[in-house]
Amino acid sequence: NFMLTQPHSVSESPGMTVTISCTRSSGSIANNYVHWYQQRPGSSPTTVIYEDNQRPSGVPDRFSGSIDSSSNSASLTISGLKTEDEADYYCQSYNSTNAWVFGGGTKLTVL
Amino acid sequence: QVQLVESGGGVVQPGGSLSLSCAASGFTFNAYDMHWVRQAPGKGLEWVAYLRFDGSNKDYADSVKGRFTVSRDNSKNTLYLQMNSLRVEDTAVYYCAKEGLVPFDSWGQGTLVTVSS
Repeated sequence: NFMLTQPHSVSESPGMTVTISCTRSSGSIANNYVHWYQQRPGSSPTTVIYEDNQRPSGVPDRFSGSIDSSSNSASLTISGLKTEDEADYYCQSYNSTNAWVFGGGTKLTVL
Repeated sequence: QVQLVESGGGVVQPGGSLSLSCAASGFTFNAYDMHWVRQAPGKGLEWVAYLRFDGSNKDYADSVKGRFTVSRDNSKNTLYLQMNSLRVEDTAVYYCAKEGLVPFDSWGQGTLVTVSS
């Protein structure tokens, strides 16, 4: 079994850059793709990054994803922060034992 | 465009049952794997169940295994979740989600299930 651990919250000012981490507890982060979802208050989640570092059409290039095998973690980086980026962000991955696993979510405040 | 509309939520007592539906439109329903995901009030996302496009393979989170059953009717473009032996901790918004680029490519608006005496 594995877990994905995210910081509970992060905050940053408009125009700045923020990075949200997602650390896998066991098994290699590189073994299964990591996806990132944004959930604005009162709305359903939407995809901002898929397959570690791919952006769906319509997602601004201010959003980027990466994985780091040395820390066994994935990261979502948002540059040029806008107030509209304020939301909860969830990482998600998969393995054949746990099936589909979400991180606990990170609340991004843009202040 | 893809539309997923959940229904069937409500208030139920512990130990009771409830059946959720997810009506799909805007895509070829019988070609896509589907999921149920839930979110307890003020909490994060939890995957609940998976069903292959043709119904041939299912999987469940340990927390619901043996109590919940996922099914689909491809002739009606509808996904179902039968929930039995409900517990207080099953209280959540239940979303259906379609696979695509990612496992949860499109989501419905969710339906609230409250388990309370």
